[in-house]
Order: sequence, then C-alpha cells, then structure tokens
Amino acid sequence: QQQVKQSPQSLIVQKGGISIINCAYENTAFDYFPWYQQFPGKGPALLIAIRPDVSEKKEGRFTISFNKSAKQFSLHIMDSQPGDSATYFCAASKRSGGSYIPTFGRGTSLIVHP
Amino acid sequence: KAGVTQTPRYLIKTRGQQVTLSCSPISGHRSVSWYQQTPGQGLQFLFEYFSETQRNKGNFPGRFSGRQFSNSRSEMNVSTLELGDSALYLCASSTDPGLAGEQYFGPGTRLTVT
Repeated sequence: QQQVKQSPQSLIVQKGGISIINCAYENTAFDYFPWYQQFPGKGPALLIAIRPDVSEKKEGRFTISFNKSAKQFSLHIMDSQPGDSATYFCAASKRSGGSYIPTFGRGTSLIVHP
Repeated sequence: KAGVTQTPRYLIKTRGQQVTLSCSPISGHRSVSWYQQTPGQGLQFLFEYFSETQRNKGNFPGRFSGRQFSNSRSEMNVSTLELGDSALYLCASSTDPGLAGEQYFGPGTRLTVT
C-alpha cells in the first residue's frame, strides 16, 4: 500500500517555466511534509518543508501549497532553471518513538531544457 | 563541518553472503537513520538509532539489522543477501529527530548482489 502518492513520475519543462509536482496522502497522523531534491550520485537534500497548519510556504523560487482537507500538497518551482534538473521526493512524516519518521513518494524526475 | 560519510561507496556481493555498511554522522548529531532506495520501491525507511538505541524500525525482514556506537557512528548489516537487496543504502543524521527538523543524507552505498 502506497501511503504517499506522487505525480507525475517525470516532468520536462522549458527554462523559465513552472514545474509542478503533486503528492497525496491518506494517513491523517502525518504532520510534517518535507520535499527533497536528489542529484545523481548524491543523497537527497531537504529543499523545503511545511506543517499542516499552514496552507503555503515560499522559499525563493520554491513554494509548497498544502490542502489539509484534500490531504494533498504540491511543490511549485517558479522560473525553472537547468540546474533544477534532479529527482524530487515528497515525504509525509509522523511521530513514532519520539522521532519523526518519513514516508516518501516514489519521486519525480525533472528535466529543465535550456 | 564535514557532512555524513558512508563507506564503502560501492560494493559487490554474492547471494548468500553478508555485508556491513558504515555511516559517520555529522559531528554533534546523535540520530542516525537508514534507508533503502530502489527504482521499484523508492525510498524506504529501514531503522533509526538515537543514543545507541533503536527507536524505530521499518518493515524489513530480520536479515536487516543495525547498531549505533557511543560516538554516534552507525553500521547496518544484511545477512544472507538476496538479489533483491541490490539497492542504494542511504544514511541520514540529525541533531534531534523529535523536532522534525532537517535530516542530512550521505551519498549512499551502492550494493550490488550477484
């Protein structure tokens, strides 16, 4: 059972365009939603994160939109650049044993053409 | 500050053998988590250690085990390797996992089982 569904699996955009990646979850126990960026040969790196009491969070060209009632959240990358080409993972985390444990989406491979 | 380091970076083993992977967290980080990344299943949580105690464990068979030392370094062991264990094994560290803060990932160990 896939607890966090991510789409699309791959995405191609032109330089300067907007990249949008969507995620949906089922478990209402999730209360922390990070996005990770992974380049080939590297581990994932935290990009931006949001808690469910906020509907939107923006950091530079990256924005998370969160819809608690629909149990959906999305990542928008404005003015996409070739350097943004990477795999993006959404995650939903919940507390367990005193820690936050993430469940990851399957990832989106983003290619930004120059 | 040095990042999370994992050794070895690449490993080739034969089915039935066992393997030990090592992770050195960022200095001062007391929590270490392990993940398995495969094209088919994506990023999956293996286990998490904090102050030498396993606090959480993912849905993996008992062939997968780990431990954490007093200096926060961690090792994971996979016994009786199967072809399906071929994956990128990622280690991540954080200061306090209870704060849902940032996890810093290492570059991973690429394990190939033949």
